[in-house]
Amino acid sequence: DQQVKQNSPSLSVQEGRISILNCDYTNSMFDYFLWYKKYPAEGPTFLISISSIKDKNEDGRFTVFLNKSAKHLSLHIVPSQPGDSAVYFCAASAPGAGANSKLTFGKGITLSVRP
Amino acid sequence: ETGVTQTPRHLVMGMTNKKSLKCEQHLGHNAMYWYKQSAKKPLELMFVYNFKEQTENNSVPSRFSPECPNSSHLFLHLHTLQPEDSALYLCASSQAGTGGHEQYFGPGTRLTVT
Repeated sequence: DQQVKQNSPSLSVQEGRISILNCDYTNSMFDYFLWYKKYPAEGPTFLISISSIKDKNEDGRFTVFLNKSAKHLSLHIVPSQPGDSAVYFCAASAPGAGANSKLTFGKGITLSVRP
Repeated sequence: ETGVTQTPRHLVMGMTNKKSLKCEQHLGHNAMYWYKQSAKKPLELMFVYNFKEQTENNSVPSRFSPECPNSSHLFLHLHTLQPEDSALYLCASSQAGTGGHEQYFGPGTRLTVT
């Protein structure tokens, strides 16, 4: 059973517009959420994160929103640029995972930004 | 070298071969991880090492054998693999125990088992 779900496999947006990538989770124990970006032939790169004590975290063009009651988070990219075209993974962790940050990942969503 | 490096980047092996994947992190982290990424599937955590001690084995078959000689190096020894083991194998590291959750990934080894 997937605890982190990215139900849309792909998204295509026009350059300059907003990209909204969605993620849902089922485990109410998750208290920290991360987004990773992956280019072909490279490993995932950490992008932005949010703790469950917050509902929004912003870093430049990237903003992550968390709705705990809906068990939903989203990544907003504005304005979108062609270089943002990549696979985006949502990940989550729960407390009590020991000293390590044990992450549960979604399947990823492929974002294509059209020039 | 900076970040997390993995060698080889590509590997083709027969089912009777023995090979090893290598990971090295240059970030001063104390935790290292092996993940498997198969097509159309989420990243699957395989093993976790914290201060060179294995703290997690996620029900991985014994044909995968990890080794962590020190906090900077992690190996994955492979023997008698199956074609379904073909996947991208990713290594990651993090600074465990400080509350940070971010893991930093290497570029991966694309493994094909014939």
